[in-house]
Amino acid sequence: ELKVEQNPLFLSMQEGKNYTIYCNYSTTSDRLYWYRQDPGKSLESLFVLLSNGAVKQEGRLMASLDTKARLSTLHITAAVHDLSATYFCAGGNNAGNMLTFGGGTRLMVKP
Amino acid sequence: NAGVMQNPRHLVRRRGQEARLRCSPMKGHSHVYWYRQLPEEGLKFMVYLQKENIIDESGMPKERFSAEFPKEGPSILRIQQVVRGDSAAYFCASSPLGLATQETQYFGPGTRLLVL
Repeated sequence: ELKVEQNPLFLSMQEGKNYTIYCNYSTTSDRLYWYRQDPGKSLESLFVLLSNGAVKQEGRLMASLDTKARLSTLHITAAVHDLSATYFCAGGNNAGNMLTFGGGTRLMVKP
Repeated sequence: NAGVMQNPRHLVRRRGQEARLRCSPMKGHSHVYWYRQLPEEGLKFMVYLQKENIIDESGMPKERFSAEFPKEGPSILRIQQVVRGDSAAYFCASSPLGLATQETQYFGPGTRLLVL
């Protein structure tokens, strides 16, 4: 059974700073997803990472995947207030039926 | 192209009542997934359906919960005899071909169920 753990669970950072959110998963999963959720809203797809060494970037966010270490990272560069949200990583199971989500990282970017 | 639609967005029920949550997938999507999110937690998979078929219901509680995706109309998640512990946000997601093809899932706005 795939298990996904994120850390940190809460992150308060100043605007302009860099930080990384970590996502570890327990068994083989050949794809890793990152989502963003604003309070009271649905999930917005950010990245889909499909292979070892995959790196994707969108604006101030960059995601990477290391399947050997079973680790994905979401790096935030020069944070701005608009990035305040909860970020979830999720692994796809090999049967393709479901996503298994981490507990989420609540990010607060302070001016 | 409208996104995934869910209704109602908010639903209040008293203990013992029934709750019916509806989900219309994105146009062209034939795979529907239901997830439950408890406060301050991540989403937990409940059930995966294709038209007229339940493919995987390993995340569904054994009692009181059922789901369907008929040939015509939206997918329905039904909770009978609701209890306070059922209070949560229920999200529906859809994809065109299923996760096995490495497609992402597109999420609806959710239904927030409150059981009094």
